[in-house]
Amino acid sequence: QSVLTQPPSASGTPGQRVTISCSASSSNIGRNYVFWYQQFPGTAPKLLIYENNQRPSGVPDRFSGSKSGTSASLAISGLRSEDEADYYCAAWDDSLSGYVVFGGGTKLTVL
Amino acid sequence: EVQLVESGGGLVQSGRSLRLSCATSGFTFDNYAMHWVRQAPGKGLEWVSGINWNSDIVAYADSVKGRFTISRDNATNSLYLQMNSLRPEDTALYYCAKDVNGWDLKGGLDYWGQGTLVTVSS
Repeated sequence: QSVLTQPPSASGTPGQRVTISCSASSSNIGRNYVFWYQQFPGTAPKLLIYENNQRPSGVPDRFSGSKSGTSASLAISGLRSEDEADYYCAAWDDSLSGYVVFGGGTKLTVL
Repeated sequence: EVQLVESGGGLVQSGRSLRLSCATSGFTFDNYAMHWVRQAPGKGLEWVSGINWNSDIVAYADSVKGRFTISRDNATNSLYLQMNSLRPEDTALYYCAKDVNGWDLKGGLDYWGQGTLVTVSS
């Protein structure tokens, strides 16, 4: 089964805009919605972006998602220290009998 | 308030079995698909299995296919994961998660439990 490719790390200073990429194949991102999750150490993941670019209620509009072809990205504008966390992309993969595929995760550090 | 509470984890020897449970409340359980996602210590998220609202659609990661079985009981709002032939590489924190969809497994996971730890010794 395939995986989605994310950079292992990203960083920025407070107030900056940071983007995290997520790429894969036509059988997953190319055909299906992309989701983004935020996870702080020792806690369960939280849904941050759904259906490529939608924010659940309560998620600040500093977080935005986009998708183009077989790639997606998460952008965080006005970076804040509390954004320091791990971020995962995910999508359904239509190959074989179907499955959910996660990216390897990106650790975001706020300098 | 939506709540997902996992249980059933523990220390087990390689080759043995465990059954995880996820008790849910605060939403109409039989309207939604459910999933198990695991996270090995210090590692990323790995999807394990999913089941739609009426158990018509189930899916598994290749790494657990043939060894794990997902099931649900809509009468008691509970999700289960029967894990057989456990291996050391199955050691992880196992999360139960709710899908935003009911019919298929393609939606995002909008609520998660706190996880139950499974440790498989060799």
